[in-house]
Amino acid sequence: EAQVTQNPRYLITVTGKKLTVTCSQNMNHEYMSWYRQDPGLGLRQIYYSMNVEVTDKGDVPEGYKVSRKEKRNFPLILESPSPNQTSLYLCASSSWRVTYEQYFGPGTRLTVT
Amino acid sequence: QKEVEQNSGPLSVPEGAIASLNCTYSDRGSQSFFWYRQYSGKSPELIMSIYSNGDKEDGRFTAQLNKASQYVSLLIRDSQPSDSATYLCAVNEEDNFNKFYFGSGTKLNVKP
Repeated sequence: EAQVTQNPRYLITVTGKKLTVTCSQNMNHEYMSWYRQDPGLGLRQIYYSMNVEVTDKGDVPEGYKVSRKEKRNFPLILESPSPNQTSLYLCASSSWRVTYEQYFGPGTRLTVT
Repeated sequence: QKEVEQNSGPLSVPEGAIASLNCTYSDRGSQSFFWYRQYSGKSPELIMSIYSNGDKEDGRFTAQLNKASQYVSLLIRDSQPSDSATYLCAVNEEDNFNKFYFGSGTKLNVKP
């Protein structure tokens, strides 16, 4: 089954404790992206990757890091989480072969206290 | 800052009616437009994409694009209670197909 997976699905952590949210896709898509979704603000793009070792900032990259060492994986790293990073995080993948239609993972609900 | 605007709703329609969802965008050069449906507690799922001016139909869904007016809409015919969800409009950046902007979504309620 073609899918995008994320782990963990739910995470409660404390301010300053580094964490990683993983994202993996099995569709051989070259493009992957991270979004955060907050009430009233919609989805905002954090980082995206056009292919292995190629990443770029979205609209809200501050406080986040990414890496793309393998085509299927695109982890999101929060080096020092703060309460304002409490949000729903969504990973998506796409390809020029499907005219950039994005397929989303199930989401990671993060709470930073 | 690119903007994508949607009426937050809720938009309430009776079962069997046509639901009309609207979206305007600020980047005149955007080339790709997408509608996603998001059920409460779930992630967005793609309904339709549209790239050229005019209408594009897929089952009960019709997407309409007017680039001159910077306007894209989604019509849902014969609305069903299962269509009750938040509908997100997404637009990509003119010079970067990998960069997307989403509206905050319109909540649709279809009443039986």
